[in-house]
Amino acid sequence: SQQGEEDPQALSIQEGENATMNCSYKTSINNLQWYRQNSGRGLVHLILIRSNEREKHSGRLRVTLDTSKKSSSLLITASRAADTASYFCATKAGGTSYGKLTFGQGTILTVHP
Amino acid sequence: GAGVSQSPSNKVTEKGKDVELRCDPISGHTALYWYRQSLGQGLEFLIYFQGNSAPDKSGLPSDRFSAERTGGSVSTLTIQRTQQEDSAVYLCASTSVGGMMQGNETQYFGPGTRLLVL
Repeated sequence: SQQGEEDPQALSIQEGENATMNCSYKTSINNLQWYRQNSGRGLVHLILIRSNEREKHSGRLRVTLDTSKKSSSLLITASRAADTASYFCATKAGGTSYGKLTFGQGTILTVHP
Repeated sequence: GAGVSQSPSNKVTEKGKDVELRCDPISGHTALYWYRQSLGQGLEFLIYFQGNSAPDKSGLPSDRFSAERTGGSVSTLTIQRTQQEDSAVYLCASTSVGGMMQGNETQYFGPGTRLLVL
């Protein structure tokens, strides 16, 4: 199976609720990134967390990283209908000298108004 | 400045034909990546260019796939003798070199080319 696997595969919530998505990976990493994709088009970078960091915030986003469990979570608080999209985690392997990213399968988030 | 651009946005071709997909990275970005995304799947790495170094072609699925980057800027991904399983969205991303070694780089993606092989 792939590095960077997300769960759940799909998540459906009401506006105002929080959404939590999880990502697991298999090998050591340099950093882990979360991206958002609307309608199967280009990805937009949301947040990057380095292997020596445990938690990071950006607006309504909160990312945690547990390197001992090789897992990360993305929390979107007070969700909005506009947050409806696919969310992917991507890992940059440790020791590589360039930014090749390995992506997970993604979580499809639907926020109902 | 402008972001990463890709053309065409959509391409429909017949099995067996060759196709060329183009990527214009962000000006000044020396690293360029091609990914493929099949329906409902995550991104699959295809190839990576960094400056004048030899490209990393380890992700190309077959010898029907090739890519080049002229003048360190525009890149073209060519698929020869297309097959139906080549149908996917092909995404290009670029990033600057500066942050690459510090683990704080961000990849900027283009809108992708949706390829359909009939």
